[in-house]
Amino acid sequence: QVQLVQSGAEVKKPGASVKVSCKTSGYTFSGNFIHWVRQAPGQGLEWLGRINPNSGGTDYAQSFQGRVTLTRDTSIATAYMELSRLISDDTGVYYCARADSYYFDNWGQGTLVTVSS
Amino acid sequence: DIVMTQTPLSSPVILGQPASISCRSSQSLVHSDGNTYLSWLQQRPGQPPRVLIYKISNRFSGVPDRFSGSGAGTDFTLKISRVEAEDVGVYYCMQATQFPWTFGQGTKVEIK
Repeated sequence: QVQLVQSGAEVKKPGASVKVSCKTSGYTFSGNFIHWVRQAPGQGLEWLGRINPNSGGTDYAQSFQGRVTLTRDTSIATAYMELSRLISDDTGVYYCARADSYYFDNWGQGTLVTVSS
Repeated sequence: DIVMTQTPLSSPVILGQPASISCRSSQSLVHSDGNTYLSWLQQRPGQPPRVLIYKISNRFSGVPDRFSGSGAGTDFTLKISRVEAEDVGVYYCMQATQFPWTFGQGTKVEIK
């Protein structure tokens, strides 16, 4: 079955960067876009961007442009999200999600990123 | 960006009774290909979201038929015909017609 397994929780200082991985299995990695969604504590969902695992092409939310970088390693069917210049408001759970065209059909378990001095 | 507005933000319901959540978008969600990419997600406490409904009214695999979606253009509705205890959680509408994909604020469904 389709699985997306994310890396573990991270604690970072303001100004640092964090890189979260999303290892996929159970399907052809190149066949579906991988998106990243953030959820601040007790808050709603916010779309960060997406990557085409086939071409490596990316689209980013304007509010994260310049700070977020999505990459992938097709040899290990894994997608990555790196967020730089972290501030306290970046604290939250970061999810990867597989898109079946225009909706998310599978989600990772989430990775808690805490930004604290 | 397309703004998604949900009402109500909180919905206390009696077990076995129906529940309804509305979602309004700031502009039409009809894509240039003719489809409307509005989906509904459920997030149970402590879990990632999961899709219930996609393209307005299509139930995802394994979703109970007590969940239904309807609407068109800018106005959409999720209905639960008879709420069960496992339906407790937060429900989000999401549009994927235009970048960036955006979500409603979420509606918390709890048992009265």
